Amino acid sequence: SQQGEEDPQALSIQEGENATMNCSYKTSINNLQWYRQNSGRGLVHLILIRSNEREKHSGRLRVTLDTSKKSSSLLITASRAADTASYFCATDVSGTYKYIFGTGTRLKVLA
Amino acid sequence: DTGVSQDPRHKITKRGQNVTFRCDPISEHNRLYWYRQTLGQGPEFLTYFQNEAQLEKSRLLSDRFSAERPKGSFSTLEIQRTEQGDSAMYLCASSPGGRGTEAFFGQGTRLTVV
Repeated sequence: SQQGEEDPQALSIQEGENATMNCSYKTSINNLQWYRQNSGRGLVHLILIRSNEREKHSGRLRVTLDTSKKSSSLLITASRAADTASYFCATDVSGTYKYIFGTGTRLKVLA
Repeated sequence: DTGVSQDPRHKITKRGQNVTFRCDPISEHNRLYWYRQTLGQGPEFLTYFQNEAQLEKSRLLSDRFSAERPKGSFSTLEIQRTEQGDSAMYLCASSPGGRGTEAFFGQGTRLTVV
């Protein structure tokens, strides 16, 4: 089963614009991670945010976490065509060591 | 460090045959995970190991599936009597362990059952 849901399911923007995608989850977590997946390839780790953190930055990425709402957002600023991919959130569920993935957001950045 | 390595990258097999996939984690990572991903879906958890111990298995892992991690290094995932519904990408990941650590994925093995 998948605990997280990303929103929107698909997003199409122009190069240079910002892209925001959201992730909701159901249970208590230790941390939340975001991954990128290019078509037919493996997952690339982007960023991890711990449950006691509210915001984290890495390059053009900004992640927020609201544990009271059980939600997270990923912002990609100044998007590039190379950012075209599917983006997934994954939660490290408290009490277990497994990671549960959401359904993903398919981002398309038009040049 | 070359990252998580999976072999083969692609496998086409006839229904009813057995297949085995291999995963080599990042060295000194004591946790190893197997996931399955079908088209348009997120990865689904199958099982994970802490060193050589298999600590959790998903209900998705029917009795036709078995995973091992002898000596706590590489891992194998075997599917017996494959069915068309087994066609998917099988992903392996490893992490150093401890809470709040990243999991790093391999490129996956794409299985097609014909």
